[in-house]
Amino acid sequence: NAGVTQTPKFQVLKTGQSMTLQCAQDMNHEYMSWYRQDPGMGLRLIHYSVGAGITDQGEVPNGYNVSRSTTEDFPLRLLSAAPSQTSVYFCASSRTVSNYGYTFGSGTRLTVV
Amino acid sequence: AQKVTQAQTEISVVEKEDVTLDCVYETRDTTYYLFWYKQPPSGELVFLIRRNSFDEQNEISGRYSWNFQKSTSSFNFTITASQVVDSAVYFCALSEGSNDYKLSFGAGTTVTVRA
Repeated sequence: NAGVTQTPKFQVLKTGQSMTLQCAQDMNHEYMSWYRQDPGMGLRLIHYSVGAGITDQGEVPNGYNVSRSTTEDFPLRLLSAAPSQTSVYFCASSRTVSNYGYTFGSGTRLTVV
Repeated sequence: AQKVTQAQTEISVVEKEDVTLDCVYETRDTTYYLFWYKQPPSGELVFLIRRNSFDEQNEISGRYSWNFQKSTSSFNFTITASQVVDSAVYFCALSEGSNDYKLSFGAGTTVTVRA
């Protein structure tokens, strides 16, 4: 099993550019989430999904879009990149968060210049 | 409002010393779950432990131990006889029964173990 796979691992964007961070899991987990990690702030929830076709906003959703057309995939779209979106992004999946916590991908380090 | 507080930003110890990481949480739910994750320098997040709100029994796993006290809303983590490989950022996290899709993380504590 590959677990949670994120691509790319590193990305540099110019302000105003758009891009999609890819996330795929092969564990048939219903729950998937995107977090961002910033120094001194822990991980903050951007968007989450409780199943295919169902998504909702987390704590810091502005500037990001998600969709969940299949159980496996949960891409995160940056609509118009801003320097404030420079961060490390983690995708995570779970069967049930309360029982198992999340399994995290290896992260994407994004720099917006 | 911050639901998980890790007051210690950084801790530095010499190898073989014990180190305790504090975690204080806040929730109105009677059913909730607490977690610890480790993030080594390589950057991945590694699950360490989960406790539910109905089980206050302390737990020991090798050199790791956890002390859960509902009376003080704390879930502290101790590394006994620390080793250089324990150097990492450690996160405490909370999942509430009413929002079981979400893990709320503390800001993390960076542990540096010097040889």
